[in-house]
Amino acid sequence: SSVLTQPPSVSVAPGKTASITCGGDNIRSKSVHWFQQRPGQAPVLVIEHDTDRPSGIPERFSGSKSGDTATLTISRVEAGDEADYYCQVWGTTSDHPGWVFGGGTKLTVL
Amino acid sequence: EVHLVESGGGLVQPGGSLRLSCAASGFSFSDHYMNWVRQAPGKGLEWVGRSRNRANSYITEYAASVKGRFTVSRDVSKNSLYLQMSNLKTEDTAVYYCTREMVVLEHWGQGTLVTVSS
Repeated sequence: SSVLTQPPSVSVAPGKTASITCGGDNIRSKSVHWFQQRPGQAPVLVIEHDTDRPSGIPERFSGSKSGDTATLTISRVEAGDEADYYCQVWGTTSDHPGWVFGGGTKLTVL
Repeated sequence: EVHLVESGGGLVQPGGSLRLSCAASGFSFSDHYMNWVRQAPGKGLEWVGRSRNRANSYITEYAASVKGRFTVSRDVSKNSLYLQMSNLKTEDTAVYYCTREMVVLEHWGQGTLVTVSS
């Protein structure tokens, strides 16, 4: 099981807003990063350091954090946004050294 | 342009060994941390290990699930990262990705599939 908890699936209609959460102990003190993985492709970084969008990522993608829950928000969802999304932090405990990923959320565009 | 190309995957029997390679181009290889991340079929992402950069003496770090069995190394003269895997188990079956770290895992290769089966 992952120390970062994500909902297994989220469904949204085209043009609406999707929110994917990521919870974990002490996330408030860590930088949270988000990856998009389309079927058969490598992951792509879409949000870094909680809220920053890498070059080339549409403004429709945004990140936020409140307490120990981080949220990836996708506005005006398009069919091409259908993918698996993973949150990630750098783990600092002896049980979870290195990069730690959430279990992933499958975003379905209805 | 950053380019990462993995190779070396294939079918191996339980208890066997395999070495994966990652050819890097488009950046100063010795200046960056480099990671391996894997994904079992139909499952999520799992960090495997990494090599720090030259300034940090290329120190290696590993996930608990592979420590003692896997070794990350690099050949800077060939701009290549390696993952030597030994005593392989069926649960090591996965696509293995090479990734460049610049505070975050910002660039990924397309992955190479390792299947551990008798």
